[in-house]
Amino acid sequence: AQSVSQHNHHVILSEAASLELGCNYSYGGTVNLFWYVQYPGQHLQLLLKYFSGDPLVKGIKGFEAEFIKSKFSFNLRKPSVQWSDTAEYFCAVSLTGRRALTFGSGTRLQVQP
Amino acid sequence: GAVVSQHPSRVICKSGTSVKIECRSLDFQATTMFWYRQFPKQSLMLMATSNEGSKATYEQGVEKDKFLINHASLTLSTLTVTSAHPEDSSFYICSASSGGSSYNEQFFGPGTRLTVL
Repeated sequence: AQSVSQHNHHVILSEAASLELGCNYSYGGTVNLFWYVQYPGQHLQLLLKYFSGDPLVKGIKGFEAEFIKSKFSFNLRKPSVQWSDTAEYFCAVSLTGRRALTFGSGTRLQVQP
Repeated sequence: GAVVSQHPSRVICKSGTSVKIECRSLDFQATTMFWYRQFPKQSLMLMATSNEGSKATYEQGVEKDKFLINHASLTLSTLTVTSAHPEDSSFYICSASSGGSSYNEQFFGPGTRLTVL
């Protein structure tokens, strides 16, 4: 069965610091990759997604992620975080042709002003 | 963006009773809805996928007689936890998708916290 690993459970950064959150998946077939964000008290929202094509995908709010197939990774990055980025971030994977998502355990990001 | 609501947001019930949770797509027609369960500090785990007008598809290990899912219309799916027990206490989240392709985005509801005493 496929699984998704997020290595960082809790990350604390100061404003303007750069962010990279790791995500690895364990499936050798063709996958679709997602990053979701959950702000405090709100529902999950899609940050960005990768289906095919350019492995560097850009999402909302200045976030980007790079798909490295050889490493089974889809790390999330942002060059300069803001206090408003404080949230929980989830990486998710679906098999191509299926819509069901497998989520990682999430990374709680705390940005200090 | 598309909005998905859940009701109630929070429910406390006694052991042995049944609880119904509603998931509604407010501004789009959801051909498919998904039900997830999230334990504290853990990931969302898919419980079942429901398509409007047909039976839900349950993930392995999920008891279909315990977690009854009905997707009777294109804007409403319900999850009924029957004969609830304390171990059913969890955060239940639904998502909805408007199309049949894996490219169709899922929109998530705010979740329902169930506490079984």
